[in-house]
Amino acid sequence: EMQLVESGGGLVQPGGSLRLSCAASGVPFSGYFFTWARQAPGKELEWVANIKHDLSERNYADSVRGRFTISRDNAQNSLYLQMDSLRAEDTAVYYCGRGRGWIDHWGQGTLVTVSS
Amino acid sequence: AIQLTQSPSSLSASVGDRVTITCRASQAISNALAWYQQKPGKPLNLLMYDASTLKSGVPSRFSGSGSGTDFTLTISSLQPEDFATYYCQQFNSYPSFSFGPGTKVDIK
Repeated sequence: EMQLVESGGGLVQPGGSLRLSCAASGVPFSGYFFTWARQAPGKELEWVANIKHDLSERNYADSVRGRFTISRDNAQNSLYLQMDSLRAEDTAVYYCGRGRGWIDHWGQGTLVTVSS
Repeated sequence: AIQLTQSPSSLSASVGDRVTITCRASQAISNALAWYQQKPGKPLNLLMYDASTLKSGVPSRFSGSGSGTDFTLTISSLQPEDFATYYCQQFNSYPSFSFGPGTKVDIK
């Protein structure tokens, strides 16, 4: 069974950076879109970014465009999210998922807290 | 942005009950809707996509219907393993998507 495991979350000061990783195992990784989403405290899950299997398409939510970069390494079955210029409003649990519309596999999330 | 509302926000039911959860979109989304189940400490689990297509391996007691702005998820005969929180998600606004606030189903 497919398993997605996020890592790299933590406490960071406003203006700082973090790099999230998502390791996939159990099923093919390289032929699929992958997605990052987040859930801030008390709010619904929201889409952050996605990336096509061949890296030819990357999409970002307006709230993160220019600050976050999604990437992947198909040889390592891994997805990444480089987060720069972090703001308090980026505080959330970040999830990776396989797919671009409906998501057929999700990770359990990693918590990012942006605070001084 | 497309907003989703779910009703009820919670419900109590017994094993064997028929349960219906409603999801309403703030604008028409055709059939671009998915349903997920989540149990405490576990990842979201896709149940249904395109409003009524059951994901392979999901029990047939789950069914979905609707199009446009109004959708329903029905559990025909609630089983002990179905006590969980259920979320709808729209993906008509690709590449973005949005989720509803969830409906918690617990034991009466």
